[in-house]
Amino acid sequence: EAGVAQSPRYKIIEKRQSVAFWCNPISGHATLYWYQQILGQGPKLLIQFQNNGVVDDSQLPKDRFSAERLKGVDSTLKIQPAKLEDSAVYLCASSGSAYEQYFGPGTRLTVT
Amino acid sequence: KQEVTQIPAALSVPEGENLVLNCSFTDSAIYNLQWFRQDPGKGLTSLLLIQSSQREQTSGRLNASLDKSSGRSTLYIAASQPGDSATYLCAVEKTTDSWGKLQFGAGTQVVVTP
Repeated sequence: EAGVAQSPRYKIIEKRQSVAFWCNPISGHATLYWYQQILGQGPKLLIQFQNNGVVDDSQLPKDRFSAERLKGVDSTLKIQPAKLEDSAVYLCASSGSAYEQYFGPGTRLTVT
Repeated sequence: KQEVTQIPAALSVPEGENLVLNCSFTDSAIYNLQWFRQDPGKGLTSLLLIQSSQREQTSGRLNASLDKSSGRSTLYIAASQPGDSATYLCAVEKTTDSWGKLQFGAGTQVVVTP
């Protein structure tokens, strides 16, 4: 089966610009996660969707980050405006059942 | 607040030596603990999952143990190979968090030299 797809793989922007990331989960997976992984740290959950509803967004900086999952399939994560500290790898994962999460390759964001 | 710690942060061993990676967590109220592997420029791959009622899990050369009472898990990799070079992360799913929410440690970067 095809894995979790993410695009773009790399993005370089200047601070105060906006950026969007796209994720296509494994077909049939109802749960989708966005993680932020800063260099040298483990991934931190930003937002979790169940179908197209938000389950947990307690660690999402809502003043600048937004995410949506239309029709319970693809998802986009947006940052507007970006700050230097947003430089990180953004990982998308999906799950079709308890426990198992499948991760995409991630998008490496550099904010200059 | 749950804290997940992995020590050491980096480890280098010669090929053939056994690897021992440690993970500790502060809150024992967990559903499960998972070990992941992360290669540079790639996402995470799940290696082993230990349910809270289990003491260990094995897959090939990998063995992971879990001691909830002491808040510790250990990943053993037998007879290491250069292909085992990667970053290894542990993650816990708390009973009080939303289903599937994982809290990760910072990882142990492993280098196996030929």
